[in-house]
Amino acid sequence: NAGVTQTPKFRILKIGQSMTLQCTQDMNHNYMYWYRQDPGMGLKLIYYSVGAGITDKGEVPNGYNVSRSTTEDFPLRLELAAPSQTSVYFCASSAPETMPYEQYFGPGTRLTVT
Amino acid sequence: DAKTTQPNSMESNEEEPVHLPCNHSTISGTDYIHWYRQLPSQGPEYVIHGLTSNVNNRMASLAIAEDRKSSTLILHRATLRDAAVYYCIRSNTGNQFYFGTGTSLTVIP
Repeated sequence: NAGVTQTPKFRILKIGQSMTLQCTQDMNHNYMYWYRQDPGMGLKLIYYSVGAGITDKGEVPNGYNVSRSTTEDFPLRLELAAPSQTSVYFCASSAPETMPYEQYFGPGTRLTVT
Repeated sequence: DAKTTQPNSMESNEEEPVHLPCNHSTISGTDYIHWYRQLPSQGPEYVIHGLTSNVNNRMASLAIAEDRKSSTLILHRATLRDAAVYYCIRSNTGNQFYFGTGTSLTVIP
C-alpha cells in the first residue's frame, strides 16, 4: 500500500492564480481530510469528507473548495490564491469503523503564494 | 486549537522517561484525546489516544486526569528517534481533529 499520496510536493503560485492539490489513498478509507499548517503552528482542518459525494467545512474553509467523487480521491481547489494561503497542506484519511480515531497523513504539499 | 495548550519545547536525556503535558480545560465529555508526532518534512503520525482511562501501547502511555482537563504523554525511554514535535489533539464525535500548538522534544545523547 502506498497509503496517502499528495501531489505536487512543492508549488509557487502568483496572487490570483488557481490550482488543485491532489490527494489519493489506497486504503479504502471512507473519511478524508485536508489540513493546513502554518509555520510553527499545529494543523488546522480545512475540509473533510465522510464518504464519496459528502463534504463539509472544517475550521478554516474560506478560499478553498473540495469535491469527493470517488472513495480514493479528495482534491483541494484554491481559487484566487492569496499570500495568506502560503502554508503546508496535508491530506489525511481514516476508517473510524475499523481503526477508531487514527488518521493517516500524506507527506504534504508546500505552497508559496507571492 | 486555542483550547489545547502545550509547552513549546522540552528536553530529555537519552534513555530517560519523558513526560509531555497538555491542558485541554474545555474538553467536552465525548471528545477523545490523541497524541501524534511529526518529524521534519513529514506528516503527523499516530502515537496514542484515549477517552477517560489511562492507555498503554508499544510506543507510549497516556495518563488522563480524572477531570479530563489535562493529560500527559509518557515516553518510557527516550531515544534519538523520538526527537519530534508532539501534538496533543482533541477530536469530536465526527472524528474532526483540533490540534494544539505542539511541543518540540529534543533528546540529548
